[in-house]
Amino acid sequence: DAKTTQPPSMDCAEGRAANLPCNHSTISGNEYVYWYRQIHSQGPQYIIHGLKNNETNEMASLIITEDRKSSTLILPHATLRDTAVYYCIVRVENYGQNFVFGPGTRLSALP
Amino acid sequence: EAQVTQNPRYLITVTGKKLTVTCSQNMNHEYMSWYRQDPGLGLRQIYYSMNVEVTDKGDVPEGYKVSRKEKRNFPLILESPSPNQTSLYFCASSSRGGPYEQYFGPGTRLTVT
Repeated sequence: DAKTTQPPSMDCAEGRAANLPCNHSTISGNEYVYWYRQIHSQGPQYIIHGLKNNETNEMASLIITEDRKSSTLILPHATLRDTAVYYCIVRVENYGQNFVFGPGTRLSALP
Repeated sequence: EAQVTQNPRYLITVTGKKLTVTCSQNMNHEYMSWYRQDPGLGLRQIYYSMNVEVTDKGDVPEGYKVSRKEKRNFPLILESPSPNQTSLYFCASSSRGGPYEQYFGPGTRLTVT
């Protein structure tokens, strides 16, 4: 699986959009970009994933660059409850394969 | 409500005393997995199971056992716990049918003295 690079920490103002970047310059054609988050010491929570098209769900939007070497997770209106560690994971969409979680980005939503 | 449950949530035990952490999911998922999370090391996979009676080692299997006799349950067994197994443990499950996102349990914080 391709390696990802994320900033270790970010702040965002409550009510504003939070844009979390992820670099995955070695991504291959059949690898998807997944985003999870972990609030304090709870179990990681799936947010969104995509291959090459931008994706949106009730939680977030995922913007993938045309060359697929980077992506951005957008939380449109951050709240204090969005304070968490956000993990960007690149992997083949394959049943049973392990998810490899890196250090992620610690997002702090500030009042 | 679709969920993965783990018990106990917190456990303090002594070296060498066998223990089992249970994991159960109500989503009829085929795939289940155990991870441990340690500061600075992220989440690491211990064991996984592709279906009933099918299990395999992950990245850090030493000192652990698992079994998968029923589809919904995937217990983690520590036959002789040691202090280096003090950690936060997560169970996860996912469906065979894709898109393969994993659903995680709430975690079990284990301390071995």
